[in-house]
Amino acid sequence: AQSVTQPDIHITVSEGASLELRCNYSYGATPYLFWYVQSPGQGLQLLLKYFSGDTLVQGIKGFEAEFKRSQSSFNLRKPSVHWSDAAEYFCAVGRSGGSYIPTFGRGTSLIVHP
Amino acid sequence: NAGVTQTPKFQVLKTGQSMTLQCAQDMNHNSMYWYRQDPGMGLRLIYYSASEGTTDKGEVPNGYNVSRLNKREFSLRLESAAPSQTSVYFCASSVGGETQETQYFGPGTRLLVL
Repeated sequence: AQSVTQPDIHITVSEGASLELRCNYSYGATPYLFWYVQSPGQGLQLLLKYFSGDTLVQGIKGFEAEFKRSQSSFNLRKPSVHWSDAAEYFCAVGRSGGSYIPTFGRGTSLIVHP
Repeated sequence: NAGVTQTPKFQVLKTGQSMTLQCAQDMNHNSMYWYRQDPGMGLRLIYYSASEGTTDKGEVPNGYNVSRLNKREFSLRLESAAPSQTSVYFCASSVGGETQETQYFGPGTRLLVL
């Protein structure tokens, strides 16, 4: 069975600082990986996804993530955080073939200080 | 193009009451999903429908029923609400099939069971 771990429940950064949110997955084959963002009171929006190919993936809002098979990780990064990035971030892992049922991590809450 | 819509946005129920949460998508997606979100628990799958005419249980189906009314609509019913069902409920849809497609989420329904 696939699983996702987001080790950090909360992350606090200053506006303008760099950001890295961690995601580790467990899956026996090549995973399909996603990062979603949830602004307060809103639904989830896709930031980026990795299916195959280049392991460094660019997403919306200046985010990127790197797939590292050897570490079973898919960490999300942003070089300079804006106050509007304060939100809940979810990592998800899917599998190839059959019905598509992704597994979500428990989320990391990002707090941005001015 | 409204994407995924959910009604109602908020609901307060008394223990034992019933209600149906409505979800519709206008993207001609085959697959639809119902999740609940609780603090610190991430998103947990309640039920999903891989295609019109099929439904399957997810991780936490007890106390819920679903109906895939047609390709557009997927409803979630609470027959006898319990305080443990206080949560935020999200509907999502995806193209479906064997390719790993992005899920598109509705804005959520906030349910309080007293």
